[in-house]
Amino acid sequence: QKEVEQNSGPLSVPEGAIASLNCTYSDRGSQSFFWYRQYSGKSPELIMSIYSNGDKEDGRFTAQLNKASQYVSLLIRDSQPSDSATYLCAVRYGGATNKLIFGTGTLLAVQP
Amino acid sequence: DVKVTQSSRYLVKRTGEKVFLECVQDMDHENMFWYRQDPGLGLRLIYFSYDVKMKEKGDIPEGYSVSREKKERFSLILESASTNQTSMYLCASSRAGAGDTQYFGPGTRLTVL
Repeated sequence: QKEVEQNSGPLSVPEGAIASLNCTYSDRGSQSFFWYRQYSGKSPELIMSIYSNGDKEDGRFTAQLNKASQYVSLLIRDSQPSDSATYLCAVRYGGATNKLIFGTGTLLAVQP
Repeated sequence: DVKVTQSSRYLVKRTGEKVFLECVQDMDHENMFWYRQDPGLGLRLIYFSYDVKMKEKGDIPEGYSVSREKKERFSLILESASTNQTSMYLCASSRAGAGDTQYFGPGTRLTVL
């Protein structure tokens, strides 16, 4: 059974701090990794994708991938109240199709 | 911008009714997906399609069927709705390439009474 694990939270951080969200996955053959943000009552929207070991930065967001340890993380610098949402980690497993396995998400609350 | 639309935002049906949920994308994507999202269970794949008239079961296909007659349109059918199918249903689409991003529609909140 292929799994993607996230701490459900809530993760509470003060405004301006760094929020660190973590995700582990079970299949070493995984190739592609995605972070989605989902506001309450809305659909998921892509924040970042990462395919290679190391860090990938986009504005205030940094995705980190470590395939040997089978984890992927998302750092949000200078957290804002508008970042308060559920963050979903998604992993694409090997094969011809583009199916993703989603974690259950981590609820982030940024306190003003 | 990729646009994925779903036919209804909210839907209320009675047990035993046949329910159609429709999804349309405007980016000529090969892949289309239907998920349901429930608290504590996350997003679970019901069915996906990688080409017109082609479909594959996801993790929870029981009680559902799908139809893809045109590339831009993917329908989810509940043959006989039951209360345990009350959920948020999300459609997504992506290009065929490995690792390509899935883009989501706004979702349909279905309540079965």
